[in-house]
Amino acid sequence: NAGVTQTPKFQVLKTGQSMTLQCAQDMNHNSMYWYRQDPGMGLRLIYYSASEGTTDKGEVPNGYNVSRLNKREFSLRLESAAPSQTSVYFCASQEEHRGYGNQPQHFGDGTRLSIL
Amino acid sequence: AQSVAQPEDQVNVAEGNPLTVKCTYSVSGNPYLFWYVQYPNRGLQFLLKYITGDNLVKGSYGFEAEFNKSQTSFHLKKPSALVSDSALYFCAVRDSINTGGSQGNLIFGKGTKLSVKP
Repeated sequence: NAGVTQTPKFQVLKTGQSMTLQCAQDMNHNSMYWYRQDPGMGLRLIYYSASEGTTDKGEVPNGYNVSRLNKREFSLRLESAAPSQTSVYFCASQEEHRGYGNQPQHFGDGTRLSIL
Repeated sequence: AQSVAQPEDQVNVAEGNPLTVKCTYSVSGNPYLFWYVQYPNRGLQFLLKYITGDNLVKGSYGFEAEFNKSQTSFHLKKPSALVSDSALYFCAVRDSINTGGSQGNLIFGKGTKLSVKP
């Protein structure tokens, strides 16, 4: 059981380049999330998808777009990369039922992105 | 607005000694509280959660956490630390009343680095 799989694991970009980070989960979870992790700042939510067909902005959405391709897959796109987007990006999924929020999130191992 | 504070950036303990990693929270309703652990170059792994009921929650790898409503705290504890417990620990909170939309999202603390020395 793979859980949450993220690709690629590492990437170096030049300023202005575009890139899509991929995420897939095999747990049949409804909700999926993209976070960025920066030193001393914990995890900050970029975008989330509460269910297939819906996406919403999180705390730090500027410079990013997302696509919930199907129930399994949730991608994050950087249209024009900037050095401030150098970070570690984590995808997570969660079993979610309407009105409940007590299930833990399951995380992938991250994509380490450097923008020069 | 909900928030989480982990007041210590780093906690150092000797192997075999008890450890505590502190967490305080703020939510408008009753909280759902979580602890996660992150090892180097890995994603976050769920350790334990408090939803309701007994204030002492037991989780993976011998960890436990105590929910204290009056102090709005949820400290992570382990009676005897291991070198292999060295990692980054995150506390997270979610409001149990508003679980739909953005208000239902988890809010993470900034993390506490635990270092256990032999």
